[in-house]
Amino acid sequence: EAGVAQSPRYKIIEKRQSVAFWCNPISGHATLYWYQQILGQGPKLLIQFQNNGVVDDSQLPKDRFSAERLKGVDSTLKIQPAKLEDSAVYLCASSLRRETSTDTQYFGPGTRLTVL
Amino acid sequence: AQTVTQSQPEMSVQEAETVTLSCTYDTSESNYYLFWYKQPPSRQMILVIRQEAYKQQNATENRFSVNFQKAAKSFSLKISDSQLGDTAMYFCAFGTPRQGAQKLVFGQGTRLTINP
Repeated sequence: EAGVAQSPRYKIIEKRQSVAFWCNPISGHATLYWYQQILGQGPKLLIQFQNNGVVDDSQLPKDRFSAERLKGVDSTLKIQPAKLEDSAVYLCASSLRRETSTDTQYFGPGTRLTVL
Repeated sequence: AQTVTQSQPEMSVQEAETVTLSCTYDTSESNYYLFWYKQPPSRQMILVIRQEAYKQQNATENRFSVNFQKAAKSFSLKISDSQLGDTAMYFCAFGTPRQGAQKLVFGQGTRLTINP
């Protein structure tokens, strides 16, 4: 079974530029998550999708971050314009959707973003 | 709000030794799940073990076991017969089986080094 795929693996941009990350979840996983992991910290959830609908984006900085999950499969996360403090690893994860359990989340390799 | 605390930023042991990583959490929920994730230097997060709060028996996965103390809100990970491949960041995480948003809250992580 293929895992969660992410691209690119690394990205270096200058502040005020735009950047986009792509994620392809495990086949059949209805739930998709984007996390931000700043160096030395644990991941922090940015947004969660259930199929193609958003169920939690309370920690997404909506003035500069946006995300979509068209057709309930692949997802893209965009930052426009980027700030220095956006330097982090952006992790995508996916899970099955069961009403009565907290599902195990499976993570992709992440995209390391450096903003200069 | 739930919080997860890992009080050991770094640990180092010799190969074949046993090591215990600490985690405490704070919640008012009665039904929840706890996880330990491993993040090797390649940065892909991998599930090590999970524990359902309603289960009294501690979870075990081969060399990995947990000591779950619900009243004390403590969830430590024991690694027996440690191997060089166990070198990684270890994150404790908390989740609740709530309909809709099922985000994980992560601790700050413990960097574990296994020395030959």
